[in-house]
Amino acid sequence: GESVGLHLPTLSVQEGDNSIINCAYSNSASDYFIWYKQESGKGPQFIIDIRSNMDKRQGQRVTVLLNKTVKHLSLQIAATQPGDSAVYFCAEMESSYKLIFGSGTRLLVRP
Amino acid sequence: DSGVTQTPKHLITATGQRVTLRCSPRSGDLSVYWYQQSLDQGLQFLIQYYNGEERAKGNILERFSAQQFPDLHSELNLSSLELGDSALYFCASSVLPAGELDEQFFGPGTRLTVL
Repeated sequence: GESVGLHLPTLSVQEGDNSIINCAYSNSASDYFIWYKQESGKGPQFIIDIRSNMDKRQGQRVTVLLNKTVKHLSLQIAATQPGDSAVYFCAEMESSYKLIFGSGTRLLVRP
Repeated sequence: DSGVTQTPKHLITATGQRVTLRCSPRSGDLSVYWYQQSLDQGLQFLIQYYNGEERAKGNILERFSAQQFPDLHSELNLSSLELGDSALYFCASSVLPAGELDEQFFGPGTRLTVL
């Protein structure tokens, strides 16, 4: 089944290029942030997370950057591959343990 | 395959009816989360249980309820269904309670259609 609404921002990148997906979060009190990937017909898949006491965290081919001053989160994907095509969500967690999801960005990888 | 199972995969019912969605977490995971994903509202957190107890509540309607059983599986009950309840319902699980740096694993979802 399709994952998200009809009006998703879309990022189109060439295979092999780096991708940067941005997210603005709403609550300055949020202290935990997660990026998810959702492929068509599947549930969201955890990519990487970061605590508010960190500015940067790296995984395999992915890096999350957190700028608390402007409440901005970004996901960088190195050497983007066709399998990276999906919808990407950021999510923030407040101290009440509620996860609040962003609206998502569709990443299209051109061969 | 995340290891989280959800049944049924698809459910079609009528307005006013009541349905139960079931989720089995990954082996060893104590936390279960329920999410609703609709076209107009994106992915929304509904409720979380940790080891049988409710831990966090999101935008869950009063017509909806959930529980986590001693064997750690969880059920989401949706009653007095309305057309707007049509959505994908996801369950996720993790070892640790929410707020810990612990990955949540999502199931494949149940697609609910209310006619």
